[in-house]
Amino acid sequence: ETGVTQSPTHLIKTRGQQVTLRCSSQSGHNTVSWYQQALGQGPQFIFQYYREEENGRGNFPPRFSGLQFPNYSSELNVNALELDDSALYLCASSLAGWEQYFGPGTRLTVT
Amino acid sequence: DAKTTQPNSMESNEEEPVHLPCNHSTISGTDYIHWYRQLPSQGPEYVIHGLTSNVNNRMASLAIAEDRKSSTLILHRATLRDAAVYYCILSRRSQGNLIFGKGTKLSVKP
Repeated sequence: ETGVTQSPTHLIKTRGQQVTLRCSSQSGHNTVSWYQQALGQGPQFIFQYYREEENGRGNFPPRFSGLQFPNYSSELNVNALELDDSALYLCASSLAGWEQYFGPGTRLTVT
Repeated sequence: DAKTTQPNSMESNEEEPVHLPCNHSTISGTDYIHWYRQLPSQGPEYVIHGLTSNVNNRMASLAIAEDRKSSTLILHRATLRDAAVYYCILSRRSQGNLIFGKGTKLSVKP
């Protein structure tokens, strides 16, 4: 059974640019959630997708958007990057929102 | 959402039991208690969850107070690999999103 994978591992972008992060869910999991983790803090919930529809959103602005595909993989898009967007971005998959299985994360640095 | 309170850090000796406390005095009847841990340079990892009764699995035990206002994660024999940040989280199953606090950083000494 393949776990949750994320790509890329690390990424450096310039303020104002756009970025797309990718997540491949654990086999059979139909729900994916995205989290942002700043250094020294716990992860913060961005949004969740269930069967390709957004199913809950945290306190993040609209420039954070997402997609879930029919194979349940997912993307997180962030437009107009700001310095404060520098963080570890985690995706987690689950079956109907129960126990969540996290990927290793993508470390985004905005300069 | 109900809030949890955990100590910032704890220390343990290898091969000794560890009791990680969590207070959640505003818990509602439908809140499940979840524990996740995050090892250095990794994503969080599910440990255990429960509603009212104590729970055991291969990783740990969860002891829930009778009034559900507190709980304790028990690692029966700490190993060096258990050094991590442990998060106590309240979540309603239907919501799915997890609200993480700062957690407890557990250090394990050989």
